[in-house]
Amino acid sequence: DSGVTQTPKHLITATGQRVTLRCSPRSGDLSVYWYQQSLDQGLQFLIQYYNGEERAKGNILERFSAQQFPDLHSELNLSSLELGDSALYFCASSVAPTGGQYNEQFFGPGTRLTVL
Amino acid sequence: GDSVTQMEGPVTLSEEAFLTINCTYTATGYPSLFWYVQYPGEGLQLLLKATKADDKGSNKGFEATYRKETTSFHLEKGSVQVSDSAVYFCALSTNAGKSTFGDGTTLTVKP
Repeated sequence: DSGVTQTPKHLITATGQRVTLRCSPRSGDLSVYWYQQSLDQGLQFLIQYYNGEERAKGNILERFSAQQFPDLHSELNLSSLELGDSALYFCASSVAPTGGQYNEQFFGPGTRLTVL
Repeated sequence: GDSVTQMEGPVTLSEEAFLTINCTYTATGYPSLFWYVQYPGEGLQLLLKATKADDKGSNKGFEATYRKETTSFHLEKGSVQVSDSAVYFCALSTNAGKSTFGDGTTLTVKP
């Protein structure tokens, strides 16, 4: 158990809909990362937050947005869903926001999103 | 931009065979390097790490050495077990805050 929790575990929805994925980081970790894992694209970094502020941005679509709240939990919002958004979405957390020995990431179990 | 290139899989070995999974990287500055492992149905978990040149990370019989001159961080294990079957990801993290993962290499170990 990494200490990172994600809800829900599974989500099935229709095209055009909007969903929210939730992540609670490990106790003491200030940095949260979101990743998308699909069969054809591997593990893609989406976005990182550190102590409530956006820290780094990866291949995140404009239809997707995220935020980190004062209690450090984070939410990833996916809107106008398309079939191709079906994937595993992982959240990870770390103590430090940047490189170095304290930047190892602890991953949650993931949310499996299926868009029908 | 930053990138990580991993040996393509899948890799299939017999139990007790020697394992090498190649990983090379491109990054500005001095990244930290990581190997993560993903067992079926689970999230990624850190296997080992190295934060500066010539550092050797090791865990559970796996080793990798940070080679700045060849920009490599190859994963090795002397004798694999069936329980090592998983997907292995090489990754880097820079001071700019971005994390970059390789595409993953699937390892299957047969008894």
